[in-house]
Amino acid sequence: QKEVEQNSGPLSVPEGAIASLNCTYSDRGSQSFFWYRQYSGKSPELIMFIYSNGDKEDGRFTAQLNKASQYVSLLIRDSQPSDSATYLCAVNNGPGGSYIPTFGRGTSLIVHP
Amino acid sequence: EPEVTQTPSHQVTQMGQEVILRCVPISNHLYFYWYRQILGQKVEFLVSFYNNEISEKSEIFDDQFSVERPDGSNFTLKIRSTKLEDSAMYFCASSLGGVEETQYFGPGTRLLVL
Repeated sequence: QKEVEQNSGPLSVPEGAIASLNCTYSDRGSQSFFWYRQYSGKSPELIMFIYSNGDKEDGRFTAQLNKASQYVSLLIRDSQPSDSATYLCAVNNGPGGSYIPTFGRGTSLIVHP
Repeated sequence: EPEVTQTPSHQVTQMGQEVILRCVPISNHLYFYWYRQILGQKVEFLVSFYNNEISEKSEIFDDQFSVERPDGSNFTLKIRSTKLEDSAMYFCASSLGGVEETQYFGPGTRLLVL
């Protein structure tokens, strides 16, 4: 059974701070890693994906992947109240394996002014 | 900006009834997906669909579920005989290319089985 674990939170950070969200996964065959943002009552929205070990930056967001430790994280710099949402980590075994994604339960982030 | 649409937004049904959830993917997208999210739970993959056939399906997608692309625009999920535990938010998504490409989610249909 593939597992994707996230601390449910809430993680509370002040506006302007760096929010650090973490995710661990059980399947060593996982190849692709995704971070989604989900506002309450809304659908998931893809923020970042990462395939290779190391860091990937996109604007205020940085995804970090460490396959040896089976760990992926999302850093949000200069956090804004509008970043308050649940952040979902998802993994799959593609390319080369199944693309069926396994999601974590999500971490609730609260950015307070 | 193009978006995935879903109808209805809410559906209430009696246990044992059939429901059809409808989705209109983004027009030039080729890959279509259904997910569900039970309240307070994880998002769960149900099925992916490409070239008029199922590409992959999860263990949840058993014989009571089926998908269809009846015309050039709609993508439907049918649940033949609903159970109480089918109550969830059902999300449709589409992507231009394969599953490794960005999937755009619709707003969801909230299904309540009584």
